Amino acid sequence: EDQVTQSPEALRLQEGESSSLNCSYTVSGLRGLFWYRQDPGKGPEFLFTLYSAGEEKEKERLKATLTKKESFLHITAPKPEDSATYLCALSGFKAAGNKLTFGGGTRVLVKP
Amino acid sequence: ETGVTQTPRHLVMGMTNKKSLKCEQHLGHNAMYWYKQSAKKPLELMFVYNFKEQTENNSVPSRFSPECPNSSHLFLHLHTLQPEDSALYLCASSQAYGTSSGNTIYFGEGSWLTVV
Repeated sequence: EDQVTQSPEALRLQEGESSSLNCSYTVSGLRGLFWYRQDPGKGPEFLFTLYSAGEEKEKERLKATLTKKESFLHITAPKPEDSATYLCALSGFKAAGNKLTFGGGTRVLVKP
Repeated sequence: ETGVTQTPRHLVMGMTNKKSLKCEQHLGHNAMYWYKQSAKKPLELMFVYNFKEQTENNSVPSRFSPECPNSSHLFLHLHTLQPEDSALYLCASSQAYGTSSGNTIYFGEGSWLTVV
C-alpha cells in the first residue's frame, strides 16, 4: 500500500529564515509525486510534479527535490505570504488509475 | 475565472435535508473527482468519473450520490447526512484517468458543509 508521511506537522519561521519540508513515501513504482499549497478555507493549489529521483523544480522561493524515498520542499527566504499548509501526494503504478495518496500536510507560518 | 468552480462555497443542512453540491471545470479535462477533507485527516478520495463514467467509488456511504452529466460538470447529491459528514468537499479534475504518467489534478475552492 502506498504511504506518504510529511514532517514536521507545523513549522514557524521568521521572515527570511530558509527551511525544508519533508515528504517520506513508500510506493511500488512511482507514477508522480505532487506538491500542493493550501490556504485556510480554500482548495489545494498545484505547485509541482516530480517524476523521477534526482529531478528538481523551482517556482519563486520554492524548490522541490526528489529521491527514491523522499521529497523535500525548500523554502528560501520566506515571506509572510508563504504561510500555508503544504501537501505532498503521490500516484503509484499499482494504485487504480490516477489515485493520489496524500500526506497530512505541513502547516507553515512565516512571521514578519 | 478559476479552472474548477464549486458552488455553494458554504452549506448548512439538517440531517433530514436533501441538498446538492455543484462543480464545473473549464480546463477541457476528461476526469473529475470528489474528495473529502476533514479536520486533522489527509484528503480522502470519494469518487472518480472518467469521460462521464464512474470508475472509482471509494466505499462511500450511499447517502452521498454523485452525478456526472458531462465531462465538465459534476454533482454530489446529499441526503440524510450525519454530523460527522461535516467537512470540506473538494471537486477536482485532470486531463485523464488511468494513464501511464502522473496526471496533475487541479482542485476547486471547495464547499464547506456543516450538518446540524
